[in-house]
Amino acid sequence: EDQVTQSPEALRLQEGESSSLNCSYTVSGLRGLFWYRQDPGKGPEFLFTLYSAGEEKEKERLKATLTKKESFLHITAPKPEDSATYLCAVIGTYKYIFGTGTRLKVLA
Amino acid sequence: DAGVIQSPRHEVTEMGQEVTLRCKPISGHDYLFWYRQTMMRGLELLIYFNNNVPIDDSGMPEDRFSAKMPNASFSTLKIQPSEPRDSAVYFCASSLAGRSYNEQFFGPGTRLTVL
Repeated sequence: EDQVTQSPEALRLQEGESSSLNCSYTVSGLRGLFWYRQDPGKGPEFLFTLYSAGEEKEKERLKATLTKKESFLHITAPKPEDSATYLCAVIGTYKYIFGTGTRLKVLA
Repeated sequence: DAGVIQSPRHEVTEMGQEVTLRCKPISGHDYLFWYRQTMMRGLELLIYFNNNVPIDDSGMPEDRFSAKMPNASFSTLKIQPSEPRDSAVYFCASSLAGRSYNEQFFGPGTRLTVL
């Protein structure tokens, strides 16, 4: 069965304290893995798409990487405005499956 | 561009009533998605359309749920009759075809409360 698991569920960091979020997946025929950011009371906002193992994408303080079994979202020197829920999603066999997210809180 | 527009933003209704949620996708986008988000189950895909045609409705929880897309600029998700367990935030999203079609643009959501 296709599945996406994100860890940790919640993460508190001090401003400037780098860390990584994990997204593990099992899916038949991976067509793409996606990272979204969701702020309270808003819809998810697209961050990255990764299509094949070894691929990396960067945007400001965020860097996403992909292997055959998992993806990491690395946050370098985070700021309070990076606080949000980060969602991972995969497409396999025409199915879009979202993980339950990691709630990130960055303290000033 | 105004982005994906959803209405209403909040809906409170009583069990057994019919609920209709509305969505206007971004102009030019040919994919439209309906999602439901709850704390327990996260974000779940209910149904998606391509060029106004339903492609996969396997996520629709039961026959009480139905969705239509009569034209490229409008879609509805209807629940009849509604039940308390339908309480959730419902999101509509749209995207373009092509290798990057997976980049979905989400609306602000409709928070549904069924009493």
